[in-house]
Amino acid sequence: EAGVTQSPTHLIKTRGQQATLRCSPISGHTSVYWYQQALGLGLQFLLWYDEGEERNRGNFPPRFSGRQFPNYSSELNVNALELEDSALYLCASSLGDRELTPLHFGNGTRLTVT
Amino acid sequence: DQQVKQNSPSLSVQEGRISILNCDYTNSMFDYFLWYKKYPAEGPTFLISISSIKDKNEDGRFTVFLNKSAKHLSLHIVPSQPGDSAVYFCAAGSSNTGKLIFGQGTTLQVKP
Repeated sequence: EAGVTQSPTHLIKTRGQQATLRCSPISGHTSVYWYQQALGLGLQFLLWYDEGEERNRGNFPPRFSGRQFPNYSSELNVNALELEDSALYLCASSLGDRELTPLHFGNGTRLTVT
Repeated sequence: DQQVKQNSPSLSVQEGRISILNCDYTNSMFDYFLWYKKYPAEGPTFLISISSIKDKNEDGRFTVFLNKSAKHLSLHIVPSQPGDSAVYFCAAGSSNTGKLIFGQGTTLQVKP
């Protein structure tokens, strides 16, 4: 069974630019989650999508946005990049919000803003 | 407001001994708790979970204990192996928010 896949693995952008990160969930999983892990910090919840809808959002500014496609893949967009957006962005998937099931993570996209 | 805390940033144990990792939480609405292991340059890997209706869950060498009155959970690894050396995160959530809150992580080193 293929795991959660994220692309690209590394992304280098300049301040003010936009970044787009992509995620494909495990087959059969309908929920996708995005987390940010900045250097020296834990995993901070960003967004939760289920069945194409945004279900919950963490304490991040509106320039962090995303969407989930009909095939349940997802993308995270970060507009007007700032230096402190440099972090590892992790995507996770799960079977959905009807059950308490564990999240399965991809290996992340390392975003560097210069 | 850190709702999930791992107060020990690091832990070192000898191979074959027990590793005990601890985690405290503040939100009484949490009803689902998990432990993840993370190696450098990889995403977190799910280890074991427990729902609030239980106080213990076991899977091989890994056992998670939940003390709801103390808002405390722990992960026991017995016996510890060098391959267990990694960062361990505890996470807590409630089924109606879909949001897992992670602790800061504890780096476990198992010495041969």
